[in-house]
Amino acid sequence: EADIYQTPRYLVIGTGKKITLECSQTMGHDKMYWYQQDPGMELHLIHYSYGVNSTEKGDLSSESTVSRIRTEHFPLTLESARPSHTSQYLCASSETGSGANVLTFGAGSRLTVL
Amino acid sequence: GESVGLHLPTLSVQEGDNSIINCAYSNSASDYFIWYKQESGKGPQFIIDIRSNMDKRQGQRVTVLLNKTVKHLSLQIAATQPGDSAVYFCAENIGGYQKVTFGTGTKLQVIP
Repeated sequence: EADIYQTPRYLVIGTGKKITLECSQTMGHDKMYWYQQDPGMELHLIHYSYGVNSTEKGDLSSESTVSRIRTEHFPLTLESARPSHTSQYLCASSETGSGANVLTFGAGSRLTVL
Repeated sequence: GESVGLHLPTLSVQEGDNSIINCAYSNSASDYFIWYKQESGKGPQFIIDIRSNMDKRQGQRVTVLLNKTVKHLSLQIAATQPGDSAVYFCAENIGGYQKVTFGTGTKLQVIP
């Protein structure tokens, strides 16, 4: 069982609300990622971090922001949610090392903005 | 919300038959290729990886083939079972950069 946790699993909110999706991992991984995935669709990288105080934007433009103050924690925030933000958000982590960069994923947070 | 990207292709296979899932990759500089399985309502899970200097790697009931000439990767699942029904993604990364890029994905449906 993966040691990476996302909360909430499901969230339904109104337009304009601020939301934070939480992601925590207990594996001591230094790299963490956020992917956006619509049902039955591709995975798109929106943010990643290579360590504490390091954050980068991914390949897909996103209005969300992230922070990495602690190794184990990588929250994603939307200041003002809109219906176009409705999607599933997947958090992942991996450790630095030689070899393939194998990601461990959380179960996802499914966001619906009304 | 507005969908991002393409709908996934679907592969339907009879239970007990072998499945072959294909993936085309784009970056000839990629060092590693990785296959993930995503079941409904879950995040993707690692299946198997292969380094770019190999052309074949076998796991339990799975085999990955890499053809660098045509930038093609395939995942073969032997004796497909209902529990294999999922979406399968290939991914690639360049070792020095570590950023992982995912392919389109294929939905595998196993017919009992």
